[in-house]
Parts: sequence; C-alpha cells; structure tokens
Amino acid sequence: QKEVEQDPGPLSVPEGAIVSLNCTYSNSAFQYFMWYRQYSRKGPELLMYTYSSGNKEDGRFTAQVDKSSKYISLFIRDSQPSDSATYLCAFYNTNAGKSTFGDGTTLTVKP
Amino acid sequence: DAGVTQSPTHLIKTRGQQVTLRCSPKSGHDTVSWYQQALGQGPQFIFQYYEEEERQRGNFPDRFSGHQFPNYSSELNVNALLLGDSALYLCASSLGTGGSGYFGPGTRLTVT
Repeated sequence: QKEVEQDPGPLSVPEGAIVSLNCTYSNSAFQYFMWYRQYSRKGPELLMYTYSSGNKEDGRFTAQVDKSSKYISLFIRDSQPSDSATYLCAFYNTNAGKSTFGDGTTLTVKP
Repeated sequence: DAGVTQSPTHLIKTRGQQVTLRCSPKSGHDTVSWYQQALGQGPQFIFQYYEEEERQRGNFPDRFSGHQFPNYSSELNVNALLLGDSALYLCASSLGTGGSGYFGPGTRLTVT
C-alpha cells in the first residue's frame, strides 16, 4: 500500500467553480502537510503548508488537515483558467528528512 | 533574487552512459534535495545534501550519487543509465534540513 493516495482526476470545471482536491495518507510520522502547484514542464511551486489539524486560508485557497482521519484537502474558490495545473499533495517527515508526494491531480478550469 | 537554478534544461543520453546534473540553490539556502519525477507521477526523493554530506537517502541504487560544494551548489550523477532513468530531475533547496523547500525548473533526461 502506498503511503500517500491522491484523487487521480483529471478534473475539469467551469471558471468560478469551487474545486476540492484530496489526499489520504497512512504514515503517522508525517509532520508537515503541503500543497504544490506544477505547471506543465515546470518545477513544483509551494502553495501552502501547515502542521496542525484544521483549516488554513490564503486568498482563494484553503488547506484542510484532519490528522485523525489522515486526510487533507485543498479548496480553490472562484477558480480561474490560470489555476489550470497539476496539484501535488506532499508530506514531510522531519525524522526521515524527506517529503513524500502524491501522484498529482490535473485540473483544467474552462473559461 | 534568483531562485533555484538547474542545468542543463534538457539532456539526451544513451543506455550505459553517465550523466551529471547541476543545481544552484536559492540565495541564503544551504540544503539541497534531489527528486526524480517520472511522467504522470509525483516526485520521488533521491537524497539530501547538507554541509557537503549526504544526510538522507531514498530508495535509489548506488548508481545515483551526488555532491555538494562549499558554495552549497550540488551535482547529481547517474552511472550506467537505464531506459527507466528517463524522467524530470528536480532540485529543491531550503535553509536547514526541514521541509521540501523551493524547487527548480528541473532537468528533463531522456535515455535512448
């Protein structure tokens, strides 16, 4: 069983829609929870990170972590065509000194 | 302020050859991590360098080796290339060994 499972997508939504991206994990040693955005042929860009259960908001983006269920989500409000990209969840284990990534969900926002 | 830079952008090699990829970390960062990203998959951790030493290593064979220089830049070397080594190789830098850090644009390696 993989340590991280990410909803595979692809996801296609109209402009202005609310998008929900989700990951589950099995490793209780994960301490930091992150979301990256990756445009085609580019490196991942860190969008948000948190280390506690609950919600963290940054503009149109909200990261939600539920440690008891080992489930994290990223919500995008008022989605824009420029949000079209692959979104990667990632988990950092301080003891292991490495991040473990999901395989990504490709999002297309249609004008 | 330059972010993480990587060279070359693209590379085509033949099976059995050796390749060296280079990374310059973001200004002020002292730790470099390398990841391999196959098409349609998330990045897989190769190893991390801090204070010129390999600190952590992922599940990659010894054909993958690296180096960090006093100016914090780093190299990734892959020997005896296999077709399966074709991927996007990403470098990430951070201050200290915590967190994924900031990623560079990657080097796309094609092995034929």
